[in-house]
Amino acid sequence: GEEVAQTPKHLVRGEGQKAKLYCAPIKGHSYVFWYQQVLKNEFKFLISFQNENVFDETGMPKERFSAKCLPNSPCSLEIQATKLEDSAVYFCASSRAFYNEQFFGPGTRLTVL
Amino acid sequence: SQQGEEDPQALSIQEGENATMNCSYKTSINNLQWYRQNSGRGLVHLILIRSNEREKHSGRLRVTLDTSKKSSSLLITASRAADTASYFCAAPSNSGGSNYKLTFGKGTLLTVNP
Repeated sequence: GEEVAQTPKHLVRGEGQKAKLYCAPIKGHSYVFWYQQVLKNEFKFLISFQNENVFDETGMPKERFSAKCLPNSPCSLEIQATKLEDSAVYFCASSRAFYNEQFFGPGTRLTVL
Repeated sequence: SQQGEEDPQALSIQEGENATMNCSYKTSINNLQWYRQNSGRGLVHLILIRSNEREKHSGRLRVTLDTSKKSSSLLITASRAADTASYFCAAPSNSGGSNYKLTFGKGTLLTVNP
């Protein structure tokens, strides 16, 4: 597609539940990035992929967060045992090359109650 | 660590006026990018300026880059109410010798009053 698609738009989870977010990058883009934005503040980088390979995961709290980009499937970001502080908007972006401009999806708003 | 830091944090102007936002960054960069975020929406890429460029134009946008001062500015001329949004600068941050990710600042909230 010509736009980055993210599903769902909104997700509500009780504390301790699992949350799974999906992202379909723009066709032909090799790089996928996940960011977390809390309270309309700065974007925190989580993880990036080059095709299905993890490129940089230095932003990921690995004990509860995991992500995948498998061939012919949307990329996913999964949070096991969500906490209140995970409430945020999660944005996915894709780019043709890692130093190029990134194209962002509309985000998934996760609310943890 | 924060690579891009915008200034001012908030800016309110009248329609038709120009708006200038500044960004400072810390390490050497391959390029610097400006994005806009309308309330409740995702980021929209506005313009990318490479480290060997000093100025770039796109419509009513003008971006400058001063690598000696590690700073960039975004000028929006003849502003419109529809320009009301948050503006972020972002620069690739160096991780393990390669520019793997963009690091964003906290943004400048621009309000253009009709």
